[in-house]
Amino acid sequence: EPEVTQTPSHQVTQMGQEVILRCVPISNHLYFYWYRQILGQKVEFLVSFYNNEISEKSEIFDDQFSVERPDGSNFTLKIRSTKLEDSAMYFCASRVGAGKNIQYFGAGTRLSVL
Amino acid sequence: GESVGLHLPTLSVQEGDNSIINCAYSNSASDYFIWYKQESGKGPQFIIDIRSNMDKRQGQRVTVLLNKTVKHLSLQIAATQPGDSAVYFCAENKRYNAGNMLTFGGGTRLMVKP
Repeated sequence: EPEVTQTPSHQVTQMGQEVILRCVPISNHLYFYWYRQILGQKVEFLVSFYNNEISEKSEIFDDQFSVERPDGSNFTLKIRSTKLEDSAMYFCASRVGAGKNIQYFGAGTRLSVL
Repeated sequence: GESVGLHLPTLSVQEGDNSIINCAYSNSASDYFIWYKQESGKGPQFIIDIRSNMDKRQGQRVTVLLNKTVKHLSLQIAATQPGDSAVYFCAENKRYNAGNMLTFGGGTRLMVKP
């Protein structure tokens, strides 16, 4: 069964460093998303991406965040200068396209900022 | 502001019993709702969805009920099994100009006792 894959599963970084979280969405999907989940809290929307551009972003997704689809398979989230409060699970999701917004999630990357 | 929230943070049930997980929402413009299951260390997994023009939808061992009058959503799991132990999130879909966005509730932890 096709699935969304994310790498790495765990990323440890120093405060102020840049990190890139990687995702490979399901191959025939057209819409891509990033969410984060702080430990013990709910899943929060960060950004949606379609047709090679951001279609919606939340207040969390400030200038320190960026997304990119560098090729036909990868979808990345970059945090330029990490802060302690960026520590969380980051989930990538994708969906096919028109119709119901059923998003399929990856297993997540745990980001630990020290 | 508008939000999706859950009544009970933790639900403990005996194996074989039925489980009911509740969710309240406040955005009457949401066109449909989705229940996700999140097991430890994994991303949210789609369970079932329901459109806003429906009151009930059944899947395999799961039923979702929607009461638009009181803006309430519930997930019923029949004959709960140990494998059902997880955190369950409801999510509402909002349409915006460029597409759709999911807003998640706070989650309910279901614990199944053998």
